[in-house]
Amino acid sequence: GENVEQHPSTLSVQEGDSAVIKCTYSDSASNYFPWYKQELGKRPQLIIDIRSNVGEKKDQRIAVTLNKTAKHFSLHITETQPEDSAVYFCAVSGDSNYQLIWGAGTKLIIKP
Amino acid sequence: GAVVSQHPSRVICKSGTSVKIECRSLDFQATTMFWYRQFPKKSLMLMATSNEGSKATYEQGVEKDKFLINHASLTLSTLTVTSAHPEDSSFYICSARVLAILGRGVTDTQYFGPGTRLTVL
Repeated sequence: GENVEQHPSTLSVQEGDSAVIKCTYSDSASNYFPWYKQELGKRPQLIIDIRSNVGEKKDQRIAVTLNKTAKHFSLHITETQPEDSAVYFCAVSGDSNYQLIWGAGTKLIIKP
Repeated sequence: GAVVSQHPSRVICKSGTSVKIECRSLDFQATTMFWYRQFPKKSLMLMATSNEGSKATYEQGVEKDKFLINHASLTLSTLTVTSAHPEDSSFYICSARVLAILGRGVTDTQYFGPGTRLTVL
């Protein structure tokens, strides 16, 4: 079955700097790659997603890149702000039942 | 985005009682909903996939007789934790597959409810 690895587990960056979180997956048939942000005690919020027919997608300060050959995709956050502090999860799907296989999460800390 | 509600947000119950958690899609029809369990500082653990009008599909290791799932309509799925024990204490989150939003075309992604914090004494 699909296996998703997410790195790093914790990332601390200075406010205003960029943050990059990377996920690798094992199943080459996977075709949907969302990123979720979860603040403490709250629901995961979809922040950006990408499908396998696209290599990059951007939404203001957030971007996701996908390398299908290498089977990895990354979340890029530029000009980080204190409100970006949260746990970020990547997920992968390719299953006809649309189940998401989740990464372990990255705790992003924005230092003032 | 699509709105998913979950009720209750927090529940405390005695050991041996049953607790029902509701998950509703408010502005769209969800043929597929998912139930997750999340431990502190951990990722989401998929418990089961709930399809409207059919039996839920449970993940390996999840007791279907303990975690009863019903998806009777296109906007409601329920999870009942039967004979709850302290080890069932956790954060339970549902999500809904967004298959279509009327008036805004078709999308295909997954949105989450706000979660239910269950504490079993």
